[in-house]
Amino acid sequence: KQEVTQIPAALSVPEGENLVLNCSFTDSAIYNLQWFRQDPGKGLTSLLLIQSSQREQTSGRLNASLDKSSGRSTLYIAASQPGDSATYLCAVRTTDSWGKLQFGAGTQVVVTP
Amino acid sequence: NAGVTQTPKFQVLKTGQSMTLQCAQDMNHNSMYWYRQDPGMGLRLIYYSASEGTTDKGEVPNGYNVSRLNKREFSLRLESAAPSQTSVYFCASSEAGGAGYGYTFGSGTRLTVV
Repeated sequence: KQEVTQIPAALSVPEGENLVLNCSFTDSAIYNLQWFRQDPGKGLTSLLLIQSSQREQTSGRLNASLDKSSGRSTLYIAASQPGDSATYLCAVRTTDSWGKLQFGAGTQVVVTP
Repeated sequence: NAGVTQTPKFQVLKTGQSMTLQCAQDMNHNSMYWYRQDPGMGLRLIYYSASEGTTDKGEVPNGYNVSRLNKREFSLRLESAAPSQTSVYFCASSEAGGAGYGYTFGSGTRLTVV
């Protein structure tokens, strides 16, 4: 069974620092990996989608890498801002379970001014 | 605005009551999903619908039923609510199933069963 782990569970950084969020998964047979942002009491907003054949995706200050063979993805957020405070979730879509995203429990990020 | 719309946003039920959570998407996606989110456990799949006319169980289907009414709408029903079903419920859609497409999520329904 695919297991997805996000470490750390919580992170606090001063404004301007770069954020590094980690996601690991146990089964490398995936279609893709997706990073989401969730604000308190809100739904999930998709940030980046990395296909299994890709090594990284970039959008503005966000960069996500994928190393499928080692079961790892990293989300980098450059020059963090207080507005980046949220919970970040990663999810993998595995090839052996149609339609199912396996989620990590998330990393709660606080960026202090 | 294009996206996934869920109703209601909040609901309080008494144990044993029934209710239906509604979900509609206007992105012409084929596949739709229901997840629940509990503290410290991430999101877990309840049911999904690969395409109009089909539904299948996910990881935690007990106590729930679903209906794919048409391509746009996918509802989740609790026949006899239990306190263990207190959770935040998210509906999502994607263009296709296992082919590497991303998901779009609704804003959630916060359900409390007392």
